[in-house]
Amino acid sequence: NAGVTQTPKFRILKIGQSMTLQCAQDMNHNYMYWYRQDPGMGLKLIYYSVGAGITDKGEVPNGYNVSRSTTEDFPLRLELAAPSQTSVYFCASSSLTGNSNSPLHFGNGTRLTVT
Amino acid sequence: GENVEQHPSTLSVQEGDSAVIKCTYSDSASNYFPWYKQELGKRPQLIIDIRSNVGEKKDQRIAVTLNKTAKHFSLHITETQPEDSAVYFCAASNTGFQKLVFGTGTRLLVSP
Repeated sequence: NAGVTQTPKFRILKIGQSMTLQCAQDMNHNYMYWYRQDPGMGLKLIYYSVGAGITDKGEVPNGYNVSRSTTEDFPLRLELAAPSQTSVYFCASSSLTGNSNSPLHFGNGTRLTVT
Repeated sequence: GENVEQHPSTLSVQEGDSAVIKCTYSDSASNYFPWYKQELGKRPQLIIDIRSNVGEKKDQRIAVTLNKTAKHFSLHITETQPEDSAVYFCAASNTGFQKLVFGTGTRLLVSP
């Protein structure tokens, strides 16, 4: 298993540009998440999904959109990039077994700079 | 919503010493408390977790304690080694799936 795969690893955007951060997992996990990590800070939840076709907002959703058309893929869309969106973005997934959730499996991250 | 505070922000110890990192949470309904280790430029990785029906959990040199009354939980690392140097994050969740709220992290430096 490749686990959680994120692309690209690095990206520089100009203000106002748009882009999609890709995330795919091959573990058949129901739950997927997008977090952002700013320097010296913890991870903040942007959006999450409990299954294909179902998404919901996290703590910091403004400026982002997501979709979950398949179990495997959970892309994150930035429509009008702003300097405040400069961050490292982590995608993660987890599964549910009985009443217990598995630990989060993180991807390697995408480092995004908006100038 | 949930708020997680983590202290200290930086911790320097000598190899072989113990290290303790503390977190407090605000939502008494939180029932899942994982700890993640993040090495420089790498992804966060789970090192240990505890659920609210357990007061303490150990895994070799790592232990986590939970005090639900006081709403705080701590990570204990004994016999620290240079490879323990990393940023450690605590987190809390009160939902059936892992909608985690993270602390701001502790940078642990273990000197030989």
